[in-house]
Amino acid sequence: QQQVKQSPQSLIVQKGGISIINCAYENTAFDYFPWYQQFPGKGPALLIAIRPDVSEKKEGRFTISFNKSAKQFSLHIMDSQPGDSATYFCAASKYSGTYKYIFGTGTRLKVLA
Amino acid sequence: ETGVTQSPTHLIKTRGQQVTLRCSSQSGHNTVSWYQQALGQGPQFIFQYYREEENGRGNFPPRFSGLQFPNYSSELNVNALELDDSALYLCASSPLGGSKETQYFGPGTRLLVL
Repeated sequence: QQQVKQSPQSLIVQKGGISIINCAYENTAFDYFPWYQQFPGKGPALLIAIRPDVSEKKEGRFTISFNKSAKQFSLHIMDSQPGDSATYFCAASKYSGTYKYIFGTGTRLKVLA
Repeated sequence: ETGVTQSPTHLIKTRGQQVTLRCSSQSGHNTVSWYQQALGQGPQFIFQYYREEENGRGNFPPRFSGLQFPNYSSELNVNALELDDSALYLCASSPLGGSKETQYFGPGTRLLVL
């Protein structure tokens, strides 16, 4: 019940296309859902995050869509660029004295020039 | 304002040894979390420190221990190293008040256990 399932494992998109990464969770107590971008040899960098009282959040080219009833959320990268090529992780957390992130297994995105 | 920093960047140890990894939290951040990221996997929560006390722990054995200092920096200690401890160890800090659910990660320490 603590797992976050992420798909696809890898994704290849043409420059200018839309990249879509999906995550699903079981624990309805989760109340914070961030997405992180990680380049090789670097730590994860926060991209965008959402709470379950909002169905969509957009920041620049990045959009999170959240479906509370389906217990799913997704990251959309519009106008994908070669510089977006990285591994993307979704995560979920709930406050229980601390925010402990449960991460998905990651999606390796490659954007072709 | 500096971000989260970690040292060393890389480390090679042999099985059975002990290791200490260090983390300096971002300015204004008082909570530090540690994660283990095995190759090709997502980070896994080890534990979190707040006000110099452990404030939550993941599914890791007691040979993983930590400290937080008055300046909010932190150490992760791992005793009796095993081959499976080879991973990227990430430190993340969270701000005082406000968006304490948001965690900002450092670049990590790559540990190889031979």
